[in-house]
Amino acid sequence: QVQLQESGPRLVKPSETLSLSCTVSGGSINSYYYSWIRQSAGKGLECIGRIHTSGSTIYNPSLTGRVTMSVDSSKNQLSLKLTSVTAADTAVYYCARLVGDTKFGAFGIWGQGTMVTVSS
Amino acid sequence: QSALTQPASVSGSPGQSITISCTGTSSDIGTYNYVSWYQQHPGKAPKLIIYVVNNRPSGVSDRFSGSKSGNTASLTISGLQAEDEADYYCNSYASTNIRVFGTGTKVTVL
Repeated sequence: QVQLQESGPRLVKPSETLSLSCTVSGGSINSYYYSWIRQSAGKGLECIGRIHTSGSTIYNPSLTGRVTMSVDSSKNQLSLKLTSVTAADTAVYYCARLVGDTKFGAFGIWGQGTMVTVSS
Repeated sequence: QSALTQPASVSGSPGQSITISCTGTSSDIGTYNYVSWYQQHPGKAPKLIIYVVNNRPSGVSDRFSGSKSGNTASLTISGLQAEDEADYYCNSYASTNIRVFGTGTKVTVL
């Protein structure tokens, strides 16, 4: 069965760039929508954005300008970059695959999440 | 884009039924039937239990059911069991084309 696994640095300094990867295993990454979601103690769950394996993206308006998502189908990987981070970006970051091949799909398959702390 | 509003906590005894409300606006729940619910146990990733208002993924107990009226969605857990003790989050597609989550509800089984 399809599994998602996030990876990347656990500690990022303020003003630097947070970079995470999500590896899809047990199936092809293609023809699905994926989202990055984060969960912090202060703001609960927040959808960062959505990407289709065709490359089309949409980002949360609250993060537009700082976030970039991309896909590398040859590696079955997704990536997330968040620039100019502050302590408010400290959170558990999840990648998730949407149900069905539609942007309206619910988050059906989740990675286990990775905790990222922003601190000097 | 504001979070959907859920009660902070709901509790019930084993075997009872409980209902969790999720209030949004005409920009999300009120317009779209793409409402989903997630169960999250401590230290674990959220798990999808309801999608498109009242549909259950394969393997999810039929004790979980969903509904929607106007700007409010609801999750009902019937025959409450100890394993149902967890945090529950609603979620809706929104006019921003980004899904918005609820504030979360802690369910306690007495």
